[in-house]
Amino acid sequence: NAGVTQTPKFRVLKTGQSMTLLCAQDMNHEYMYWYRQDPGMGLRLIHYSVGEGTTAKGEVPDGYNVSRLKKQNFLLGLESAAPSQTSVYFCASGQGDSYEQYFGPGTRLTVT
Amino acid sequence: GENVEQHPSTLSVQEGDSAVIKCTYSDSASNYFPWYKQELGKRPQLIIDIRSNVGEKKDQRIAVTLNKTAKHFSLHITETQPEDSAVYFCAARGNTGNQFYFGTGTSLTVIP
Repeated sequence: NAGVTQTPKFRVLKTGQSMTLLCAQDMNHEYMYWYRQDPGMGLRLIHYSVGEGTTAKGEVPDGYNVSRLKKQNFLLGLESAAPSQTSVYFCASGQGDSYEQYFGPGTRLTVT
Repeated sequence: GENVEQHPSTLSVQEGDSAVIKCTYSDSASNYFPWYKQELGKRPQLIIDIRSNVGEKKDQRIAVTLNKTAKHFSLHITETQPEDSAVYFCAARGNTGNQFYFGTGTSLTVIP
């Protein structure tokens, strides 16, 4: 059981470039989440999904898009990266009835 | 949406002493309150949680209390050890869509 994995671990982008972050989980969880973590601000929810084929906006969705075509994968896309998107991105998954979230190892993204 | 405030932002204690971290929330419909420990460069790890129908929960040296009327909950760590040094986050689960709202974190240092 790998749990929750994220690809890539690190990435440097130039302003205006695009990229996709991949989150995968092997626990058959219904719920998946993307957070960003900035110094002094805790974790903030970007987008989440309550099941395959569904997505919803969180607290800070602007500049990001997501897709959940398969139950085990949740993709986070940046169409035109900005320096304000420099952050550590965490994916998490969970099962609705237990509420507990399991986090991935994180992706450190720097936009120059 | 929900608003979670966490205090203090930093806390230093002597080894063996107790540490208390407090959080308040704004949405009375929130029903689940987890606490996470995050070591430097690592993912958040759930250490204890409490549901809204319970007032207190304990797991060895760690306890959480919930006051629904006042809308606050607290993490208590007794007999602190140097390995307890980390950043601790509280969170609240909103009542719709299984969204989670995090506090801004408390950096705990246990001095040997």
